[in-house]
Amino acid sequence: KNQVEQSPQSLIILEGKNCTLQCNYTVSPFSNLRWYKQDTGRGPVSLTIMTFSENTKSNGRYTATLDADTKQSSLHITASQLSDSASYICVVSPPSGSARQLTFGSGTQLTVLP
Amino acid sequence: NAGVTQTPKFRVLKTGQSMTLLCAQDMNHEYMYWYRQDPGMGLRLIHYSVGEGTTAKGEVPDGYNVSRLKKQNFLLGLESAAPSQTSVYFCASRHTTKETQYFGPGTRLLVL
Repeated sequence: KNQVEQSPQSLIILEGKNCTLQCNYTVSPFSNLRWYKQDTGRGPVSLTIMTFSENTKSNGRYTATLDADTKQSSLHITASQLSDSASYICVVSPPSGSARQLTFGSGTQLTVLP
Repeated sequence: NAGVTQTPKFRVLKTGQSMTLLCAQDMNHEYMYWYRQDPGMGLRLIHYSVGEGTTAKGEVPDGYNVSRLKKQNFLLGLESAAPSQTSVYFCASRHTTKETQYFGPGTRLLVL
């Protein structure tokens, strides 16, 4: 079964520090990998998207990397802010035209403390 | 633009009761989705629609029905609610040629 596994499940860091979240997937083939940010009580919002041929993508203080050989992705957050406290979800998309739908990870809950 | 809206925001049901969750989008998107989100699990697709008048089953469709009578609305129905349907339900939509899904704020449902 296609799976997306995220680690750690939860993470607590101090404001201003950097952190890295991990995503391992077995979905194959795939067209792209996304990271979503989900604030408490809200719906997920797309942060980054990478096709299988891309290695890195940045969005402000967020940088996502992708290693298609090892089937791993990471999301690096630089100089964390209190507003970064949220769940970060890794999502893998099947190839265009595939009947399969998105595969969602269960998320990493990040808490940034002052 | 309001984007994707969902009503109600929160609902408590007794086992066996029925209800309908409404999703509306004002982005003229063809594709719409209903997901449920449970603790420790990724979002799971319940049903989806690729256009007005069409629906299809997702990963966990049992106990739910949907209708897409208008392009901007996607309804999720529970005919006879069960405690296992206690969850947070998210609606999403996307344009036909763009893969980014836009999510609503969610509906929190508690079935007693």
